[in-house]
Amino acid sequence: DQQVKQNSPSLSVQEGRISILNCDYTNSMFDYFLWYKKYPAEGPTFLISISSIKDKNEDGRFTVFLNKSAKHLSLHIVPSQPGDSAVYFCAASDYNTDKLIFGTGTRLQVFP
Amino acid sequence: NAGVMQNPRHLVRRRGQEARLRCSPMKGHSHVYWYRQLPEEGLKFMVYLQKENIIDESGMPKERFSAEFPKEGPSILRIQQVVRGDSAAYFCASSRDGEGPQHFGDGTRLSIL
Repeated sequence: DQQVKQNSPSLSVQEGRISILNCDYTNSMFDYFLWYKKYPAEGPTFLISISSIKDKNEDGRFTVFLNKSAKHLSLHIVPSQPGDSAVYFCAASDYNTDKLIFGTGTRLQVFP
Repeated sequence: NAGVMQNPRHLVRRRGQEARLRCSPMKGHSHVYWYRQLPEEGLKFMVYLQKENIIDESGMPKERFSAEFPKEGPSILRIQQVVRGDSAAYFCASSRDGEGPQHFGDGTRLSIL
């Protein structure tokens, strides 16, 4: 039962353009959502989060949008840079537990 | 380095041996989480601990796996009588108060011969 889904296993974007990574969830109890970036042989690095009381959170080049009615969130990176090339994981948790439920990841490649 | 520290980074064991993975949380963090990542999959929650307490072990296999976070020292994830299927990357994360983002270490890659 995959409660957090990232349906695009990979995404390729030109440098300077916008990268949009998508994530869907099924559990309506989730109230906190996070995006992590992961390079090979390293641990996930926290990027940005959003609670369910908001629909947008912005931090520099990264913006996360939350659509609760659609159970969908997205991460926008603009402008994209080659150093953004990594695997991006969406994660969610609910107020009853602190454990994170991860999606399977989207591999982003930003080319010059 | 004030980040989450995991050791060893790589661990090779033969079937039937024991594996011990260690995790020191970030300074000031008292909540520790363990996750496992199988190849081409996302991270799967295993266990959540605070000092001397297991808060949530709903993701731990029923047998052979145990975790602790003693009053002094690192958190330990222990796998007894390892099997080939235990080969994975094991990540530890910590948070300050159970709310806010979890910060991850670089993981221990366990290989079973």
